[in-house]
Amino acid sequence: ETGVTQSPTHLIKTRGQQVTLRCSSQSGHNTVSWYQQALGQGPQFIFQYYREEENGRGNFPPRFSGLQFPNYSSELNVNALELDDSALYLCASSLVSSGRSTGELFFGEGSRLTVL
Amino acid sequence: QKEVEQDPGPLSVPEGAIVSLNCTYSNSAFQYFMWYRQYSRKGPELLMYTYSSGNKEDGRFTAQVDKSSKYISLFIRDSQPSDSATYLCAMTRSNFGNEKLTFGTGTRLTIIP
Repeated sequence: ETGVTQSPTHLIKTRGQQVTLRCSSQSGHNTVSWYQQALGQGPQFIFQYYREEENGRGNFPPRFSGLQFPNYSSELNVNALELDDSALYLCASSLVSSGRSTGELFFGEGSRLTVL
Repeated sequence: QKEVEQDPGPLSVPEGAIVSLNCTYSNSAFQYFMWYRQYSRKGPELLMYTYSSGNKEDGRFTAQVDKSSKYISLFIRDSQPSDSATYLCAMTRSNFGNEKLTFGTGTRLTIIP
C-alpha cells in the first residue's frame, strides 16, 4: 500500500512569485485535502477535492487554488506569494463513499515553503 | 477565541511516567475526535479516532471524550523516548465527506530517558 507522497519537500520563493505543490494520494483513496501549518501552530484547512472538484474550502483567499486529477492526485497552487505564506503545506487523503468519510485522514510529510 | 484550545507545552516527563494531554473546545457541534502524533519535520499520524463521549483504548494509549465539559484527553502509559513528538487534537462535526478537521495548536512532549 503506497502512502501519501508530496513534492517538493522544500522550496524557497520570493514575494509575488507563484508556486505549485503536488500530492499523490494513498492507494484506494479518492479525496484529497490540503492544510497549511505555520510554525508552532496546528494545521489549517485550505480546501478539499473530491471527484476532481473543490468540495469545501477554509478561510483562504482565491489566490490559493487547486486541482485534482482522474488518478486522484492533486496540486495546490498559490499565486502572488506573501511572506505569511511561509509554512508547511500538508496533503491528506481519505476515502469517501456514499458521501461519508471512513474517518481516517492520512497525511503526507509535507512541502515546506519559505517565502523571502 | 479559538474553537479548539490546547496547551502548547513544552511538556517533559521521565520515561515510564503516565502522560496526560488535553484539549478544550467551544463548538458543541463537534462529534468526532482525533489525536495525531507529529514527529519533527514529518506529517501528522493518526493515533486515535473516537465518536461522541466515552473512552477508547489502544495499547498504551487511551482517549477520553467528555462532551458535556467540551474536554478531550489522551493518556499515554509507560511512556517511551520514542513517544517524544508533538501531539495534535483534532475534531469534526460529522463524518460527511466534505468535513474539515479543526486542530489544536499541538502539545510538544519530550520523554526523558
